[in-house]
Amino acid sequence: GAVVSQHPSWVICKSGTSVKIECRSLDFQATTMFWYRQFPKQSLMLMATSNEGSKATYEQGVEKDKFLINHASLTLSTLTVTSAHPEDSSFYICSARGRGRDGYTFGSGTRLTVV
Amino acid sequence: QKEVEQDPGPLSVPEGAIVSLNCTYSNSAFQYFMWYRQYSRKGPELLMYTYSSGNKEDGSFTAQVDKSSKYISLFIRDSQPSDSATYLCAMSLSGAGSYQLTFGKGTKLSVIP
Repeated sequence: GAVVSQHPSWVICKSGTSVKIECRSLDFQATTMFWYRQFPKQSLMLMATSNEGSKATYEQGVEKDKFLINHASLTLSTLTVTSAHPEDSSFYICSARGRGRDGYTFGSGTRLTVV
Repeated sequence: QKEVEQDPGPLSVPEGAIVSLNCTYSNSAFQYFMWYRQYSRKGPELLMYTYSSGNKEDGSFTAQVDKSSKYISLFIRDSQPSDSATYLCAMSLSGAGSYQLTFGKGTKLSVIP
């Protein structure tokens, strides 16, 4: 089955630093990647959509300069939280869709804590 | 009115019970319907994927879609403690390309031994 590997699974960083989260599709080509944020006991909130080789499309209210998304290849997408602040602490999850595949495969998520 | 409504629960059932989870939606343009299971601090795992009205079975799971009523259901037969998780319904306008998913809030299920 389709597998998306997401790293790191958790990270603690100091306020003002940047953190990079990676998502790799292991056995399929991810033509589209979605990045979500999830608060405790809440559903997933879509942050941005990226297609391989093109700029990401950000949802309203999501700062593109703060949440940098790169989808440089069909198997790798990265989310960089720049100048992180405590309010950026959350659970970040990626999701990938491959050509000809049913459904969307999710990564295992990254718990970010900014102190 | 939210696009997708899902009772957040929590829902507690005894082991072996049949569980019924439901979502309603307002956008009749949704064509593809999914159910995901999410364990605490993990990413969602796809359980069922359907694109037509009717029933679809896979193991102990049955997904039901009624497009005329804009209502979808997931049934879990012979529920086990390992089924304890949050179940998210999701839907999209298309099954292709970069169409995003619209999620329900999720229903937290506990199966009591």
